[in-house]
Amino acid sequence: KAGVTQTPRYLIKTRGQQVTLSCSPISGHRSVSWYQQTPGQGLQFLFEYFSETQRNKGNFPGRFSGRQFSNSRSEMNVSTLELGDSALYLCASSLAGERRYEQYFGPGTRLTVT
Amino acid sequence: AQKVTQAQTEISVVEKEDVTLDCVYETRDTTYYLFWYKQPPSGELVFLIRRNSFDEQNEISGRYSWNFQKSTSSFNFTITASQVVDSAVYFCALSEYNQAGTALIFGKGTTLSVSS
Repeated sequence: KAGVTQTPRYLIKTRGQQVTLSCSPISGHRSVSWYQQTPGQGLQFLFEYFSETQRNKGNFPGRFSGRQFSNSRSEMNVSTLELGDSALYLCASSLAGERRYEQYFGPGTRLTVT
Repeated sequence: AQKVTQAQTEISVVEKEDVTLDCVYETRDTTYYLFWYKQPPSGELVFLIRRNSFDEQNEISGRYSWNFQKSTSSFNFTITASQVVDSAVYFCALSEYNQAGTALIFGKGTTLSVSS
């Protein structure tokens, strides 16, 4: 079974631009979560989507948004990029029900903002 | 508030040594889940184990073992006879059951370096 895939793997953007990252979950997984990883703050939860609905949101500004499509694929968007948005963005997917707590992560998208 | 503390920032051992990674958590919930993830240099987080708050049995999987003690709010991870391939950053995480979703709260991670 294919794992979680994320595209692109690497991205360089300029301050003020916007960016869209994509995540394809493991087949059959309906929940997709996004996390930001930085050296200073560590791993922080951004948001979670289930059946195209945002189920949970972390403490990030409104510049960070996401969505989920009917095939469970998800995208996250960051508008008006700041230098501090440089990070590894990880996507995770999980099954529904009791096993929804077992999250399987993709390789991440490394975003560099200059 | 939820919090996960991994006090050990970095650990260095020589191959075949046993090593224990500590994890202490805080939560107000009586039902919660604890996890360990491994992050090798490639960056992908690899799921190792999930433990729910009602199951305090220790678990062993090959060279890996986990010790969950509710009384001390700890969920420690031991690697027996460490190998170079165990070199990675290890994260302990917590997820509360009574929340809208399944957000994981991660510790800062412990970097394990195993030399030959």
